[in-house]
Amino acid sequence: DTEVTQTPKHLVMGMTNKKSLKCEQHMGHRAMYWYKQKAKKPPELMFVYSYEKLSINESVPSRFSPECPNSSLLNLHLHALQPEDSALYLCASSQGGGGTGETQYFGPGTRLLVL
Amino acid sequence: AQSVTQLGSHVSVSEGALVLLRCNYSSSVPPYLFWYVQYPNQGLQLLLKYTTGATLVKGINGFEAEFKKSETSFHLTKPSAHMSDAAEYFCAVVASGGYQKVTFGTGTKLQVIP
Repeated sequence: DTEVTQTPKHLVMGMTNKKSLKCEQHMGHRAMYWYKQKAKKPPELMFVYSYEKLSINESVPSRFSPECPNSSLLNLHLHALQPEDSALYLCASSQGGGGTGETQYFGPGTRLLVL
Repeated sequence: AQSVTQLGSHVSVSEGALVLLRCNYSSSVPPYLFWYVQYPNQGLQLLLKYTTGATLVKGINGFEAEFKKSETSFHLTKPSAHMSDAAEYFCAVVASGGYQKVTFGTGTKLQVIP
């Protein structure tokens, strides 16, 4: 299994809603990542988990809350989002602990629209 | 600090023609370099990567790239374009050492004309 899966594929939420994005991989990878990609822009790193511990937080607003319940799962909890948070949210994983040069495997993304 | 510059946000080639997508990087330490492809409404897929060793790197789907340290470049080429190559291509750099913090270029959209 060489896939990273993400659910849901699409999500529409209001600014007062609470929702969660889910990412799963069964490749035994020990690093997992969240990226945000706005239209016609490159992905921007949000968070990195290495061995289930948060190792990088790119100064992301607290309305985004990541969680890594186990080595296969990565969640992104959303609360009180703004319309400018509408984007494609990509999850990725890599084999080791996130060391340099590791190939990151990306999921298909969740397209989020905040109304 | 590290950065990536991709020259040309849009590139058009005829089917069967050479594909050349340009990438220049800036890094204070030896870089690791990647090319990713993104098809519409999909995630990113790794085409190829350079870490150490041979400077000419071959990837999937007939693509290759050459690391030229003196020119700080990592251009992506394919001898003959296929219609299925139409997609967005991102060059990315990671500074060696430490955690994998990837910096992506702004992307080049490749159009293949029949």
